[in-house]
Order: sequence, then C-alpha cells, then structure tokens
Amino acid sequence: DGGITQSPKYLFRKEGQNVTLSCEQNLNHDAMYWYRQDPGQGLRLIYYSQIVNDFQKGDIAEGYSVSREKKESFPLTVTSAQKNPTAFYLCASSRGRGTSGEQYFGPGTRLTVT
Amino acid sequence: AQTVTQSQPEMSVQEAETVTLSCTYDTSESNYYLFWYKQPPSRQMILVIRQEAYKQQNATENRFSVNFQKAAKSFSLKISDSQLGDTAMYFCALSQGGSEKLVFGKGTKLTVNP
Repeated sequence: DGGITQSPKYLFRKEGQNVTLSCEQNLNHDAMYWYRQDPGQGLRLIYYSQIVNDFQKGDIAEGYSVSREKKESFPLTVTSAQKNPTAFYLCASSRGRGTSGEQYFGPGTRLTVT
Repeated sequence: AQTVTQSQPEMSVQEAETVTLSCTYDTSESNYYLFWYKQPPSRQMILVIRQEAYKQQNATENRFSVNFQKAAKSFSLKISDSQLGDTAMYFCALSQGGSEKLVFGKGTKLTVNP
C-alpha cells in the first residue's frame, strides 16, 4: 500500500533539546511538506521541498530545520530555538509542480515539550 | 495573494439531514484547483473532493457535492444524509495550477448529532 508514514505518533521532549520528526513516503511524489497545527487552528506551512537536496521556508520556519537527501524522506528537526514547539505536526506529499497540487497527508506526530 | 476564507467556525446538523459548509477564495489566476479536506478526531487529513476551475460541472463524491460559483469565487460543500462519521474539521484549500503550495482556510468544525 502506498502512503505516508510519520513516526512516532506521540513524542515527548524536555525543553532545550532538539528533536527530529520522521516522514517517509512511497508514493514516488516529488514534493513534500511540513505543517504545524495548534488546537482549533488551521494548518501553517513550515517548510517544503520540490526536489531532492532543495527546500524552501514556509510561513513559520523559524526554529525548524529540514533535509531532503532522499526522495522518500523529509525529516523535520525542531530545535531549541523554537519558542513554543508543543503542537501537532503533519507531513504531506504531492506530485509537484504542474499538477493539481493535491496533497496526501501522513497521520501526524503530536509533540509535547515540557 | 491567494486567500481562502471559511466564515463558519462551527456548525452542527442532525443525522440524516443535509448541511452546507461555505468557502470563499481569492486568486488572480485562471488555472487553479479547489479542495475540501476532512480531519476527523483521529486528526488524519483526508481528501473529500476536488474541483478543477476550468470545469463548469460541480464535482460530486457519493454524499458529498460542491457548489462552485467561479464568478463569485465561492466553493461550498454540501453533505447529504449526514452520518455520525462525518463529524470532523473541514478545510477548504486552493492550489494555483503549477504552484507547489496549498492555501488552507481556518476550518469549520462540523458536529453530526444523533
């Protein structure tokens, strides 16, 4: 079955620690995205990548970093510089430029930092 | 700039009845796509329906249909024969043809009551 996996489902960290959220897709999609969702809020774009070894900042990139070394993988690191990291994080992928832009989503990771 | 507005933060409907969720958007492009996504309590984002701007015919998917008014830049979602499993957040989203990003509305929380 093709799809997007995110692990773990729940993640707990102490303040001041960096943490990396995993996102893997086997849909052969070119583009991948990271969103943050706070309670009762919509989705805010953190970073996105159209192609391997390239990525762009979204609307709220401060305190986050990403890499795209493989087409299938787009990990997100939440650094200690992110002032309010507790949130629900969603990863998505799409076929990329020139297509409808329809995005497929993973199940999400709930990050709690105390 | 593209914008998507959902003016109804919360709605409720009785089981088996029909409900309509509103969405308006703004874009200067002629080639674009519109989507409705559903996020149930599990928080998995699921594509409900997609509309291509160049198609005049309204999209339908089983109990879900849209009323696409291109001149008015309106894209409402109608859910017929509402079921308890339709309880979710619903997000309207816009993609310009060839663009790498989706623009999301803030969502409408729909509750289906037994």
